[in-house]
Amino acid sequence: DAKTTQPNSMESNEEEPVHLPCNHSTISGTDYIHWYRQLPSQGPEYVIHGLTSNVNNRMASLAIAEDRKSSTLILHRATLRDAAVYYCASNTGNQFYFGTGTSLTVIP
Amino acid sequence: EPEVTQTPSHQVTQMGQEVILRCVPISNHLYFYWYRQILGQKVEFLVSFYNNEISEKSEIFDDQFSVERPDGSNFTLKIRSTKLEDSAMYFCASSSQGVHEQYFGPGTRLTVT
Repeated sequence: DAKTTQPNSMESNEEEPVHLPCNHSTISGTDYIHWYRQLPSQGPEYVIHGLTSNVNNRMASLAIAEDRKSSTLILHRATLRDAAVYYCASNTGNQFYFGTGTSLTVIP
Repeated sequence: EPEVTQTPSHQVTQMGQEVILRCVPISNHLYFYWYRQILGQKVEFLVSFYNNEISEKSEIFDDQFSVERPDGSNFTLKIRSTKLEDSAMYFCASSSQGVHEQYFGPGTRLTVT
């Protein structure tokens, strides 16, 4: 599996963009990059995934470096409801590996 | 909106006892997963299940663990002889796209005493 590393915590002001980084320097060519978030006392929630190209959906954008050794999850306008632990993850086949996560605090 | 459900929400058991954790995946999903999360740690993959058989399993998923889809709706995780270190939140997930876009249940907190 691709070992992923993320900062332990980050802060953002409400309504500002947030860039959450993830390093996955050992990722193989066929491993996807996934992002999930986990609110307190809940199960993880899917955010976005990609392989090589940048991806956008209603929740966020995913920017993947050209060498695929890192990626950035972009929340365009942070709200208080976005406060959560954000996990970068990768898969090899049907095995799935979460990183240690970044705890995002949104400041009103 | 359809959701994954898990029962019970909290299970307390004594060391050495068998436990069965239950999950009802989203009805049209074909891929099923179990994960665990020890308090304060990251979510860890246990097993994936597709077409009525295990497709992948992690090193954590040893002979003490088993999974079953006994009918068309339930997906269960059995731990045969629980150990103290099995205490964790156990999450079930399902997907219609393999590992992509997994929907997680709210979890079962297992406490082994």
